[in-house]
Amino acid sequence: EIVMTQSPATLSVSPGERATLSCRASQSVSNNLAWYQQKPGQAPRLLIYGASTRATGIPARFSGSGSGTEFTLTVSSLQSEDFAVYYCQQYNKWPPYTFGQGTKLESK
Amino acid sequence: EVQLVESGGGLIQPGGSLRLSCAASGFIFSSEYMTWVRQAPGKGLEWVSVIYSGGSTYYADSVKGRFTISRDNSKNTLYLQMNSLRAEDTAVYYCARDGPGGRIDYWGQGTLVTVSS
Repeated sequence: EIVMTQSPATLSVSPGERATLSCRASQSVSNNLAWYQQKPGQAPRLLIYGASTRATGIPARFSGSGSGTEFTLTVSSLQSEDFAVYYCQQYNKWPPYTFGQGTKLESK
Repeated sequence: EVQLVESGGGLIQPGGSLRLSCAASGFIFSSEYMTWVRQAPGKGLEWVSVIYSGGSTYYADSVKGRFTISRDNSKNTLYLQMNSLRAEDTAVYYCARDGPGGRIDYWGQGTLVTVSS
């Protein structure tokens, strides 16, 4: 099973600034990596797939990069609605799909 | 518009059984892989099971032998039969559609299952 590790667990950033979230895989997942956003009381929402492709309707301030074992989600110019928990998920070798433990992005 | 609506959650005693349903609309249900993902209170996401369009099924080790995923393409409905429930199965259960390659592109709103005496 591929283990996904996200860092940091919590990230405090001021509105308008840039946030950078990391995700590491225990073995290569090529570019088969997705990012999800989850707000309190809501279902997760697909943000990024293929490591760098934005899902339908996702604003351009969200960007993903990386391949192999190291991945990054960047949110440029944070808006109030961006404060949430973010999960990465690998789908290179499945089942099982595996998720990271999440990064909580909070307002500083 | 893709919609996934779960039902069937509730409070159940340890050792009991429960069946979750997920009504799908807005896409060709029979052609898609469908997944269940759960989230324990205050915790992260855990994949539970997937069923392929052809009917093949796979399970997380934590539920193997106790849970059964199935689908009724005539009713556009996904199911999760959960037997021998344990306290650690307490979670919000999300029905989700697998997009191309394995990313999960649509999620239902979730249904809460609480296993407690």
